[in-house]
Amino acid sequence: GAVVSQHPSWVICKSGTSVKIECRSLDFQATTMFWYRQFPKQSLMLMATSNEGSKATYEQGVEKDKFLINHASLTLSTLTVTSAHPEDSSFYICSAKRRLAGATDTQYFGPGTRLTVL
Amino acid sequence: GQNIDQPTEMTATEGAIVQINCTYQTSGFNGLFWYQQHAGEAPTFLSYNVLDGLEEKGRFSSFLSRSKGYSYLLLKELQMKDSASYLCAVLDSNYQLIWGAGTKLIIKP
Repeated sequence: GAVVSQHPSWVICKSGTSVKIECRSLDFQATTMFWYRQFPKQSLMLMATSNEGSKATYEQGVEKDKFLINHASLTLSTLTVTSAHPEDSSFYICSAKRRLAGATDTQYFGPGTRLTVL
Repeated sequence: GQNIDQPTEMTATEGAIVQINCTYQTSGFNGLFWYQQHAGEAPTFLSYNVLDGLEEKGRFSSFLSRSKGYSYLLLKELQMKDSASYLCAVLDSNYQLIWGAGTKLIIKP
């Protein structure tokens, strides 16, 4: 079953409004979560790395004031798209890193959130 | 529930061929993706199948059988740089991605 959830799965909003997307690890604590953006049939583009209790690390070219990330707890990270515009319409996917026995890390991906800005 | 199964780890020899299988049980089907992910990097898109059959793209091919809930990724002429995790993901009836756990491919000289 799914170990990472996202909410909402679909969102349609008007241009200029803000949208918050939640990413939760369901049965494990994730000190690190990642936010990606995906365009149709293209690779996932890493937007930022979210660490619990500290500021997110943004990739080059990603506006941190537009894409606000808050990793409030070990099971929840949120991405807020502020003043959304039609060009922000995309599929946003989060993932959570889980440390397994033997100090190996496994990354679990969420189902994605489809954002459409009118 | 929805489920995607793929082997946890596979080992192959440089220059050889390897087939990574993926079976799925999902609520609806709107296509199957294969991604390659090197450690510490974002997944890169390899293929998308929505109709039955084989799609060939250079050294990589992907096959889909919707009736069997089955896909495979075939990698030919393996190179050391192909050592990575390979992720299978299905787009369900709600256009949500259901992810497999990934197959770690180890290439030996």
